[in-house]
Amino acid sequence: KAGVTQTPRYLIKTRGQQVTLSCSPISGHRSVSWYQQTPGQGLQFLFEYFSETQRNKGNFPGRFSGRQFSNSRSEMNVSTLELGDSALYLCASSKSGTNTGELFFGEGSRLTVL
Amino acid sequence: TQLLEQSPQFLSIQEGENLTVYCNSSSVFSSLQWYRQEPGEGPVLLVTVVTGGEVKKLKRLTFQFGDARKDSSLHITAAQPGDTGLYLCAGVPTDSWGKLQFGAGTQVVVTP
Repeated sequence: KAGVTQTPRYLIKTRGQQVTLSCSPISGHRSVSWYQQTPGQGLQFLFEYFSETQRNKGNFPGRFSGRQFSNSRSEMNVSTLELGDSALYLCASSKSGTNTGELFFGEGSRLTVL
Repeated sequence: TQLLEQSPQFLSIQEGENLTVYCNSSSVFSSLQWYRQEPGEGPVLLVTVVTGGEVKKLKRLTFQFGDARKDSSLHITAAQPGDTGLYLCAGVPTDSWGKLQFGAGTQVVVTP
């Protein structure tokens, strides 16, 4: 079956701009979680959505937001981009959510902020 | 500060050698997972350990969960170049429902 699909794979933005990243989970998976991966901090939990509701949120500023649609597809948005937002953004889907693990990751969206 | 501390950060070995990667925390976890991430890809789940003291084997990989459910180790026997990757441990602390936390990872390089 198809895996987790993230778009775009690569993008370059400048400071102050905003960006939207998309994630299509594995069919039948209702949970989508987002992570930011940087060399210095590793994978940091952003948020988790389950059946269109944000179920958990990490310690990121309000510039980072997300949503989930009725078909379980999810988007995350980062507004007023800063240089430090440059990272690999990973989306993961699961049947029941991050509490039980068993996450399936996409290949990520690599964001560079200039 | 990482909730899960992995060591070493980097490991370079020759094909055929053994290696062990550690994942430690002061928190108790209901379960711990190990993932491997290769360049340009997302992490892929290798195993989930649930019971304190549990040992799981996956071909040449052996995973152990500490008795107190605060730590875990990954041992690779007779490493091969295909084992090269970033090994990540992850878990949900018992006092932090839903927030799967990751360690910073151990970069393993196996040269022929």
